[in-house]
Amino acid sequence: QQQVKQSPQSLIVQKGGIPIINCAYENTAFDYFPWYQQFPGKGPALLIAIRPDVSEKKEGRFTISFNKSAKQFSLHIMDSQPGDSATYFCAANRIIFGKGTRLHILP
Amino acid sequence: NAGVMQNPRHLVRRRGQEARLRCSPMKGHSHVYWYRQLPEEGLKFMVYLQKENIIDESGMPKERFSAEFPKEGPSILRIQQVVRGDSAAYFCASSLIGTGTSGLSYEQYFGPGTRLTVT
Repeated sequence: QQQVKQSPQSLIVQKGGIPIINCAYENTAFDYFPWYQQFPGKGPALLIAIRPDVSEKKEGRFTISFNKSAKQFSLHIMDSQPGDSATYFCAANRIIFGKGTRLHILP
Repeated sequence: NAGVMQNPRHLVRRRGQEARLRCSPMKGHSHVYWYRQLPEEGLKFMVYLQKENIIDESGMPKERFSAEFPKEGPSILRIQQVVRGDSAAYFCASSLIGTGTSGLSYEQYFGPGTRLTVT
């Protein structure tokens, strides 16, 4: 019940493409779903977050889609750039984290 | 506007020694969270503290680990009698307002981490 499953583990996308990272949770009591970006040797940084009463949220090139009935949410990065290459983590209520997705954007 | 500060950034300890990791939250933040990250793994929640109070320590190992956040000074994560399995990156984060599993949540800001190596 206290898990967030994240996929894929790694992802390679051409510049300009739209990488999609998926997460699934089990505990319906969770009410806050953030995504974090982490560069090597650095701490995670909050990218974007969503609550379960909203189905989609956009901030710049980052979009979260949320499906409450399926207990799934995903991160889309529009017009991806080589500078987006990092590890991305989804989380639930800031205390349960997915295992991360290593994203590499090819120039 | 200093962000969350952690020190030391790198710490090497021999098995059996004590490790003390410090975290200074952002100015005005009174909520601190500690996480552990193993290589190629996500973050594992350890403990959530407010000034002088432990709010949630459900992720903290029962033995050898303790945390505090005194009225004055940084939050401290203390690991006694370290073992090789304690080698990891330890991150703290702070927020203006905290939360439980429901209710309001506010953005948390992470520090750069302390990388602990146990030899």
